[in-house]
Amino acid sequence: GAVVSQHPSRVICKSGTSVKIECRSLDFQATTMFWYRQFPKQSLMLMATSNEGSKATYEQGVEKDKFLINHASLTLSTLTVTSAHPEDSSFYICSAEGARGDEQFFGPGTRLTVL
Amino acid sequence: GESVGLHLPTLSVQEGDNSIINCAYSNSASDYFIWYKQESGKGPQFIIDIRSNMDKRQGQRVTVLLNKTVKHLSLQIAATQPGDSAVYFCAENGGATNKLIFGTGTLLAIQP
Repeated sequence: GAVVSQHPSRVICKSGTSVKIECRSLDFQATTMFWYRQFPKQSLMLMATSNEGSKATYEQGVEKDKFLINHASLTLSTLTVTSAHPEDSSFYICSAEGARGDEQFFGPGTRLTVL
Repeated sequence: GESVGLHLPTLSVQEGDNSIINCAYSNSASDYFIWYKQESGKGPQFIIDIRSNMDKRQGQRVTVLLNKTVKHLSLQIAATQPGDSAVYFCAENGGATNKLIFGTGTLLAIQP
């Protein structure tokens, strides 16, 4: 149980285009999901907290107009990187909060490369 | 505060030896701690957790020790195997929030 998937697993896009990444909880419902970004040889940095049916909460320094988050159902959150640039190239990882409230189940990550 | 990793410390151990990975956490209000294993190109995988009312917890081949006095967490892996090669992260919950703050990470390299 508690499986989280992400799609796509990797994506390559041209500079200036937008990319959507999906995060799904496959066998449980998640009111809250989290989006992280991880650069090579670095730790996971929380970008935003996604709440079903309400606006996401962004961490300091993360542009909400550039990283659009939609959490329209209890099993799906999407992250759209708008007008992507090479510096947005990174490993994006989502997690879904479990019923206990303090556990997070992580997805496999999405490798974004912006040319 | 948040931990930002600019370097990745490496622990090199012989196959079969025990590994001890250390973590200094940042927030004295944190009351829940987790160790994750991350293999290359994959998401973090839960290993073991511990709450602040405990100082030791054991799992299968792994033990987590918590020292709240010095804000230190360690992960012990018994009889390290090649499959244990990965980056290991500690994470804390920062107390009242449900957000996780990740440590810098340690690369565990297994020597044959």
